[in-house]
Amino acid sequence: KQEVTQIPAALSVPEGENLVLNCSFTDSAIYNLQWFRQDPGKGLTSLLLIQSSQREQTSGRLNASLDKSSGRSTLYIAASQPGDSATYLCAVRASGTYKYIFGTGTRLKVLA
Amino acid sequence: ETGVTQTPRHLVMGMTNKKSLKCEQHLGHNAMYWYKQSAKKPLELMFVYSLEERVENNSVPSRFSPECPNSSHLFLHLHTLQPEDSALYLCASSQIQGGEQYFGPGTRLTVT
Repeated sequence: KQEVTQIPAALSVPEGENLVLNCSFTDSAIYNLQWFRQDPGKGLTSLLLIQSSQREQTSGRLNASLDKSSGRSTLYIAASQPGDSATYLCAVRASGTYKYIFGTGTRLKVLA
Repeated sequence: ETGVTQTPRHLVMGMTNKKSLKCEQHLGHNAMYWYKQSAKKPLELMFVYSLEERVENNSVPSRFSPECPNSSHLFLHLHTLQPEDSALYLCASSQIQGGEQYFGPGTRLTVT
């Protein structure tokens, strides 16, 4: 059974810092992995999607990497800003299914 | 309207009521999803529809009944709910191949 873990659960950093969020999954047979952000009481906003054949994806200040063999993905945020404050979620889609399994998220606060 | 829309945004219902949640996607996608988000728990996938056919039913109680009349619309019919069903209900859509999910803003449901 696929399980997805995100560490740390919460993180508070000063503005301008580079930071790394971690996502671990127990079954390496995945179709893709997606990173989202969620603002309080709102829906999820897609940040990056990595297909199982890819190693990384980049969008602006965000870079996500995928290491299937070790069951890990990282989301790197460069030069963090207060507007980056949100909960960040990763989700894994298992191969051969339509099921997405979500982690519990990392709650990020960037201090001005 | 763009993206994924959900109505209503907030709903309060008694345990004997019947209500429906509506989701509409304007992205030309062929798969739609219902998720439940409760406090302190990861997002839980409830149902998946691909090309208007239900392909995943994640052991959801029968008091939740989905309907997908076409590729743009998804409903969740609710009846005789329990207080523990209070949560944020999120709808998402994607292309079933490739699968970057886009989420709506959610319906905040309170069962009294």
